Amino acid sequence: QSALTQPASVSGSPGQSITISCTGTSSDVGGYNYVSWYQQHPGKAPKLMIYDVSNRPSGVSNRFSGSKSGNTASLTISGLQAEDEADYYCSSYTSSSTGVFGTGTKVTVL
Amino acid sequence: EVQLVESGGGLVQPGGSLRLSCAASGFTFSSYSMNWVRQAPGKGLEWVSYISSSSSTIYYADSVKGRFTISRDNAKNSLYLQMNSLRAEDTAVYYCARELYDSSGYSNDYWGQGTLVTVSS
Repeated sequence: QSALTQPASVSGSPGQSITISCTGTSSDVGGYNYVSWYQQHPGKAPKLMIYDVSNRPSGVSNRFSGSKSGNTASLTISGLQAEDEADYYCSSYTSSSTGVFGTGTKVTVL
Repeated sequence: EVQLVESGGGLVQPGGSLRLSCAASGFTFSSYSMNWVRQAPGKGLEWVSYISSSSSTIYYADSVKGRFTISRDNAKNSLYLQMNSLRAEDTAVYYCARELYDSSGYSNDYWGQGTLVTVSS
């Protein structure tokens, strides 16, 4: 199972909105509504930010939103803040009943 | 408070074995599916293995199939990963993670702090 494709880096100024894409195939992202997004700060464990494409766990800011179109899922961060600077990973369920993560995106707040 | 604490990592020679443990507390462990996820130094996340709440369903990534074995002991609130025939490319921080809900498609809402496995001669 190949990793899902994400841009290596995305940047934005405080207050702006950014979008991170996650491209897979019809055997993973496109075939199921089981796309999740994780935030990871250096040296820390990942934190679940979005599950089932567009749902936020309790306690996650509503500045984070998720969507999906075809084989590509997206994470949008609105009102960018300094604390949002981190690595972000998407993940998906696959037709083999296994899991797969994206390649990861480093978000930089300018 | 939900807590997941991994242990058992360390330095092992290529071809060797290691058993990781994950001690769970703060929730009804027997009701949740669990996963192992790893991260090589400076690299991205890689899903390793899944086990359902009753151990009836188990999956592995192709990269570890036939070498790693996931198991759990619900009476001891513990998750395990037996790693055999270790290779240099297995060097990583290994995280145990709890699935958000049963059959949640690998959405993991709680993670341990990770345990480092280094495979080197």
